[in-house]
Amino acid sequence: QQQVKQSPQSLIVQKGGISIINCAYENTAFDYFPWYQQFPGKGPALLIAIRPDVSEKKEGRFTISFNKSAKQFSLHIMDSQPGDSATYFCAASKHGGSEKLVFGKGMKLTVNP
Amino acid sequence: DVKVTQSSRYLVKRTGEKVFLECVQDMDHENMFWYRQDPGLGLRLIYFSYDVKMKEKGDIPEGYSVSREKKERFSLILESASTNQTSMYLCASSALGTPLHFGNGTRLTVT
Repeated sequence: QQQVKQSPQSLIVQKGGISIINCAYENTAFDYFPWYQQFPGKGPALLIAIRPDVSEKKEGRFTISFNKSAKQFSLHIMDSQPGDSATYFCAASKHGGSEKLVFGKGMKLTVNP
Repeated sequence: DVKVTQSSRYLVKRTGEKVFLECVQDMDHENMFWYRQDPGLGLRLIYFSYDVKMKEKGDIPEGYSVSREKKERFSLILESASTNQTSMYLCASSALGTPLHFGNGTRLTVT
């Protein structure tokens, strides 16, 4: 049973475009939703995270949108740059922390110059 | 800056060998984790530890065991390596309520 479903599996965008990655979850007990970014040869690193008491969180060009009723959250990357090319993972957990994070399958983003 | 160091970047072992993957963190974090990363499957939790000598099974513990004798060190053990354990292994650590900090991974090939 896949608790966090991520789509699409891969995405190619042009420099300056908007990248959108979607995730859906089943467990209503989840209350912490981070996004991790992974470059080739490196471990994933936290990019941005949201808790269900807000519907949107923005950090620079990165925005998380959260829809509690639909049990969905998404990552928007504005003005995508070639340096954003990486694999992105959404995740979810209970009790507000990183313990027992459940990850999506990941999405490979390629931003063409 | 938090540093999670995995002792080997690449490892090649034979079927049936006992394999040790080592991980050290330098931030006095209580929690340490071992994940496995496979294409199309994402990151799956094998084991985690929330204190010295404490461990808890993750989603895919079969075929693995762990050891945490010191707070900074968490070892993943493959008792008898099999070809289906060929994968990228990621170690991570965190303090209570803080994000995971990952190492750069050990790519294990079992032949």
